[in-house]
Amino acid sequence: EVQLVESGGGLVQPGRSLRLSCSASGFTFDDYAMHWVRQAPGKGLEWVSGISWNSGTIGYADSVKGRFTISRDNAKNSLYLQMNSLRAGDTALYYCARAGTVGGFYYYMDVWGEGTTVTVSS
Amino acid sequence: DIQMTQSPSSLSASVGDRVTITCRASQSIATYLNWYQQKPGKAPKVLIYGASSLQSGVPSRFSGTGSGTDFTLTISSLQPEDFATYYCQQSYRAFMYTFGQGTKLEIK
Repeated sequence: EVQLVESGGGLVQPGRSLRLSCSASGFTFDDYAMHWVRQAPGKGLEWVSGISWNSGTIGYADSVKGRFTISRDNAKNSLYLQMNSLRAGDTALYYCARAGTVGGFYYYMDVWGEGTTVTVSS
Repeated sequence: DIQMTQSPSSLSASVGDRVTITCRASQSIATYLNWYQQKPGKAPKVLIYGASSLQSGVPSRFSGTGSGTDFTLTISSLQPEDFATYYCQQSYRAFMYTFGQGTKLEIK
């Protein structure tokens, strides 16, 4: 079964750090780019960051650039998000998602985890 | 950054109705447009990719059209399980994706 499982969320004070992990199974992890998407309580989806299969290409939303770092370990089938200088506005459910593709032309997020909750509050 | 604007933000409809949701990009994105459905407490699910291609397993009552800056998602005959929130997402700029703000489809 193709599966993504996020972990590492929790309650953290403003200005502190947190590292999220996403464990992949049921597919060849290093064949796929991966993404983090978040959803604040009662709000819409926000793309946070993405990383290519070999970590050669990385991107961030402007809202997290300079504070968050995405990485992956293909040997461990794992994706990570290091979040520094956390703010109240980073409070959200964070999803890990696989970038499915059709012939390397169209990309879309075809497999999602259930998410891990990050709450930034004093 | 490419901004994605959906309309309407919310919509009330009845089972059996035909429903159309619109998504507009702030610049041309060719057909690099995906549609997702999200039900409360659940992760999103991709419905349409490449503006008009139906993801495997998605019912044929869902369809997508458009190119450039204007796109539509149509549900031809609403079923009870279709009441959810729908999001468009551009994949034109690799690793700089953006979502629309969402359209909540409610039962009339």
